[in-house]
Amino acid sequence: AQSVTQPDIHITVSEGASLELRCNYSYGATPYLFWYVQSPGQGLQLLLKYFSGDTLVQGIKGFEAEFKRSQSSFNLRKPSVHWSDAAEYFCAVALFSGGYNKLIFGAGTRLAVHP
Amino acid sequence: DAGVTQSPTHLIKTRGQQVTLRCSPKSGHDTVSWYQQALGQGPQFIFQYYEEEERQRGNFPDRFSGHQFPNYSSELNVNALLLGDSALYLCASRNRETLGYTFGSGTRLTVV
Repeated sequence: AQSVTQPDIHITVSEGASLELRCNYSYGATPYLFWYVQSPGQGLQLLLKYFSGDTLVQGIKGFEAEFKRSQSSFNLRKPSVHWSDAAEYFCAVALFSGGYNKLIFGAGTRLAVHP
Repeated sequence: DAGVTQSPTHLIKTRGQQVTLRCSPKSGHDTVSWYQQALGQGPQFIFQYYEEEERQRGNFPDRFSGHQFPNYSSELNVNALLLGDSALYLCASRNRETLGYTFGSGTRLTVV
C-alpha cells in the first residue's frame, strides 16, 4: 500500500543551525511529492513539490528537498534555521486514480527552534 | 486574490448531532477535497468533488457526505457525530489541470 513515513516525530535545532527532515515513501509508480508546513492552528502551506526533472527542488523560505529514487526518499533541508521556522512539517505523495488525485500525508515532524 | 476560505473556524457539537462545514475554493480552482486531521496526526483524505460529483473517497463511513455547488464551493456534512470526529477539517482546492493544492485554515470541530 502507498504510504509516507516521517521517522522523526520531534526535532529540536538551534537557530542558525542546519536542518534536515526525513521523508520516505512507498509508491509503485513515479511519485509526485510535496512538503507542507503547518503553524499552530493554521492550515497547510506548500513549501515545495517534485513532479519530474531535476531531483533537487527549491522552495519558499529558503527550503530545498532532494528526491532520491534509489532510497525512496524526499528529505527537506535548510542551511540555516530561523526561529520563525518552528512549526509542523508534512511530507505527502499524490496518488492518482482515474484522472483524479489525492494526497497521502506522513504523520508529520514537529520542529522546535532554540534561540 | 483570496485563497481557500473555510467557515466556521471553530465549533462545538454534542455527540449524535449533525454538522455542516463550508469551503470556498481559491479563484480559478474547480476541484475541492476535504481532509480530516486528528490531533497529532497528518491529514487523512475524506473525499474529492469535481463538477458537483464525488470523484474519490477515502476510508470514511457514510456519515460523512458532501456536496459541491455550481460556483465550485463545497460543504462537508457529518451525521451522528462521535467523540472521535473531533478534529481539524481542512479543505483544499486546485485547478483540474494542475497538481498543486491550496489549503484553507480549517474548521476545528469539537464533539462533546
